[in-house]
Amino acid sequence: EVQLVESGGGLVEPGGSLRLSCAASGLTFSSASMAWVRQAPGKGLEWVGRIKRTTDGGTTEYAAPVKGRFTISRDDSKNTVYLQMNSLKTEDTAVYYCTKYSGYSDCWGQGTLVTVSS
Amino acid sequence: DIVMTQSPDSLAVSLGERATINCKSSQSVLYSSTNKNALTWYQQKPGQPPKLLIYWASTRESGVPDRFSGSGSGTDFTLTISSLQAEDVAVYYCQQYYSFPLTFGQGTKVEVK
Repeated sequence: EVQLVESGGGLVEPGGSLRLSCAASGLTFSSASMAWVRQAPGKGLEWVGRIKRTTDGGTTEYAAPVKGRFTISRDDSKNTVYLQMNSLKTEDTAVYYCTKYSGYSDCWGQGTLVTVSS
Repeated sequence: DIVMTQSPDSLAVSLGERATINCKSSQSVLYSSTNKNALTWYQQKPGQPPKLLIYWASTRESGVPDRFSGSGSGTDFTLTISSLQAEDVAVYYCQQYYSFPLTFGQGTKVEVK
């Protein structure tokens, strides 16, 4: 059974940084593309970005609101994907979900809450 | 960006009755080379992460009850729950994965009448 466990969320001031981690198990992680999706409190889903599997170059794509501020990376030796978030804004407040990505997201973590507030 | 618009925003259906949710994309999500639509449906229950129901517009994910079905092509899609059960109360989202950035509909809340 595939399991994705996010960590690293918390309270951060505007302009600050945070790194989220997502530990994966139950899958051949190096063969999986991964994505991040977020959900602001009481709102809908917003795609953040994705990273291809390393054998496909590990390339990334991002949504416009986070491009240039957020970076997705992976460490296949640790079965972990990361979301580095810099220059955080209040509108980045959300639950951040890590997903296994096949174009669609076929497996989701429980999410980690990021609150950007002074 | 492809804009996804769902209708209605919410609906209340009696137990055992049919629920129908529509999703319209601002441009076609059909891959002409494969004749497949890059459209997926998710179900999100309160306090839980979303769950994949349908991908390629009409392929049911393993383990999803057959009362859930997806249809449509091009720009117009439908998720049908043939006989609503109490456990189907949730918000349902469509998403296109035809082009970046991937985009979601605003969600449709399904409740029991």
